Amino acid sequence: EPEVTQTPSHQVTQMGQEVILRCVPISNHLYFYWYRQILGQKVEFLVSFYNNEISEKSEIFDDQFSVERPDGSNFTLKIRSTKLEDSAMYFCASSMRGLYNSPLHFGNGTRLTVT
Amino acid sequence: KNEVEQSPQNLTAQEGEFITINCSYSVGISALHWLQQHPGGGIVSLFMLSSGKKKHGRLIATINIQEKHSSLHITASHPRDSAVYICAVVTGGSQGNLIFGKGTKLSVKP
Repeated sequence: EPEVTQTPSHQVTQMGQEVILRCVPISNHLYFYWYRQILGQKVEFLVSFYNNEISEKSEIFDDQFSVERPDGSNFTLKIRSTKLEDSAMYFCASSMRGLYNSPLHFGNGTRLTVT
Repeated sequence: KNEVEQSPQNLTAQEGEFITINCSYSVGISALHWLQQHPGGGIVSLFMLSSGKKKHGRLIATINIQEKHSSLHITASHPRDSAVYICAVVTGGSQGNLIFGKGTKLSVKP
């Protein structure tokens, strides 16, 4: 069964550094998402992406965050200048027909640790 | 105020028991997702529903849009069902976004 893959599984970085989290969604899916989960807390929506542009974003997704689909297969989340509070598990997800009409497929997540 | 409330927060059951996890929400929604988060952290979609009832194996999900309530039932529970079960509602926007509940941690003892 096709799956969403995320790399790396664990990223350690120093405060102020830039990180890029990578995701390969399922190939025939059209809708892409990033979520994060701070340890011990609930999952939070960051951003959704459709038709090569951001369709929705949360208050968390401020100017230090950006997303890109550079080559038709990868979907990346960039954090420009990491802060301690960015430490979390970041999940990428994709769906074929959007949240109203189809299930979400999640990657296994990237655990980001900012020191 | 949490827009999505799940109950109970923690649940311990004996193998074979019938389990119910509840989700109530305060916002208008178009659809609701039930997710399972494994101990290792990975998340799997169980159901997406906007009305009525869906069944998959030993799992049943129901939703009552008027009452703003959904339930997830597990029949003949098994230790491998031990996980966190998360309710997430789809709200707002042309593409919608998900608002997640805090999850219900289920532990099934043999």
